[in-house]
Amino acid sequence: EAQVTQNPRYLITVTGKKLTVTCSQNMNHEYMSWYRQDPGLGLRQIYYSMNVEVTDKGDVPEGYKVSRKEKRNFPLILESPSPNQTSLYFCASSRNADTQYFGPGTRLTVL
Amino acid sequence: KQEVTQIPAALSVPEGENLVLNCSFTDSAIYNLQWFRQDPGKGLTSLLLIQSSQREQTSGRLNASLDKSSGRSTLYIAASQPGDSATYLCAVRPGGNAGNMLTFGGGTRLMVKP
Repeated sequence: EAQVTQNPRYLITVTGKKLTVTCSQNMNHEYMSWYRQDPGLGLRQIYYSMNVEVTDKGDVPEGYKVSRKEKRNFPLILESPSPNQTSLYFCASSRNADTQYFGPGTRLTVL
Repeated sequence: KQEVTQIPAALSVPEGENLVLNCSFTDSAIYNLQWFRQDPGKGLTSLLLIQSSQREQTSGRLNASLDKSSGRSTLYIAASQPGDSATYLCAVRPGGNAGNMLTFGGGTRLMVKP
């Protein structure tokens, strides 16, 4: 089944404890992205990648890192999480500039 | 910077009504526009993608139109059903080298009452 998977789906952590949210797609898509969704602010793009080893900042990249070492994986790294990074995170992928497919989301709470 | 607006923010209609959701964007230099559906606490499901050269796309009871010059898209839902209740989002992808920098609207929360 064609899909985008994210892990973990739910995470509660404490300020400053490094964490990684994984994202994987099995559709051989070139483009991948990370978004966060917050009430009243909508969906905002954090980082995106147009191919392996090619990443770029979105609207809200501060406090996040990404890497794209393999085509299928695009992990999101929070080196030192803070409470303002509490949010619902989505990973998405697409074949070039075509239809975007979203993962199920990761709900992160930083205490 | 591209800005995408969706009006209304919320809409409640009785079952069976035809309805129109609106999406407007400030920069007409887009590559494509996509409509999504999001159920509470869930991910986004793609409904329709319109390329900048197209005027409309149809899928079942859904029809999306695009007027790039005026910076507008509409999503028409025919014969609405309670199962259509969800938040509907539009997103535009920039033109030029067809980058991956999508901009989303704030969404329209639709409730279809039986």
